[in-house]
Amino acid sequence: DQQVKQNSPSLSVQEGRISILNCDYTNSMFDYFLWYKKYPAEGPTFLISISSIKDKNEDGRFTVFLNKSAKHLSLHIVPSQPGDSAVYFCAATSSGGSNYKLTFGKGTLLTVNP
Amino acid sequence: NAGVTQTPKFQVLKTGQSMTLQCAQDMNHEYMSWYRQDPGMGLRLIHYSVGAGITDQGEVPNGYNVSRSTTEDFPLRLLSAAPSQTSVYFCASNTRTGRETQYFGPGTRLLVL
Repeated sequence: DQQVKQNSPSLSVQEGRISILNCDYTNSMFDYFLWYKKYPAEGPTFLISISSIKDKNEDGRFTVFLNKSAKHLSLHIVPSQPGDSAVYFCAATSSGGSNYKLTFGKGTLLTVNP
Repeated sequence: NAGVTQTPKFQVLKTGQSMTLQCAQDMNHEYMSWYRQDPGMGLRLIHYSVGAGITDQGEVPNGYNVSRSTTEDFPLRLLSAAPSQTSVYFCASNTRTGRETQYFGPGTRLLVL
């Protein structure tokens, strides 16, 4: 049973446009959500996170939105740049559990075309 | 700081062979974890440790052993390699309170023939 779902394996956008990556979760205990970015042949790197007490968190060109009632979050990248081309993983954890146990989605490959 | 380091970068094994994937971190992080990444499967937790001498199983622990004798090192042992263990393995570490900042190593690509 997949608790964190990224239903789009890939996404292609033009440079300068908005990229929207989606993530759904099923476990109601999840209260902290993270996005990681991964380039080929490298380990994932932390990008941005959001707590369930918020519905939006912004960091430069990256904004994460959380809709708790729909158990849905999204990552917006504006404007998209070719260097943003990577695999993006959504991850979730619960404060009631161990904070080292992240549950990851399968990832979405973002390609930003010049 | 080197962060999280992993060796080797790439390894080919024959079915039934054993080997140890090395992981070390120099950030004095309490928590360390091992993940595997397979195509279309995302990252799955194999084993984790909350400190020296303490380890526990993750989502896919079968076929793997770990130990944590020091804060810095967290090796992953394959006792008898199987083709199903062909994967990319990532080690990660984080502090007790910094759950969002899991630092990942560069990965070890393992091929079991």
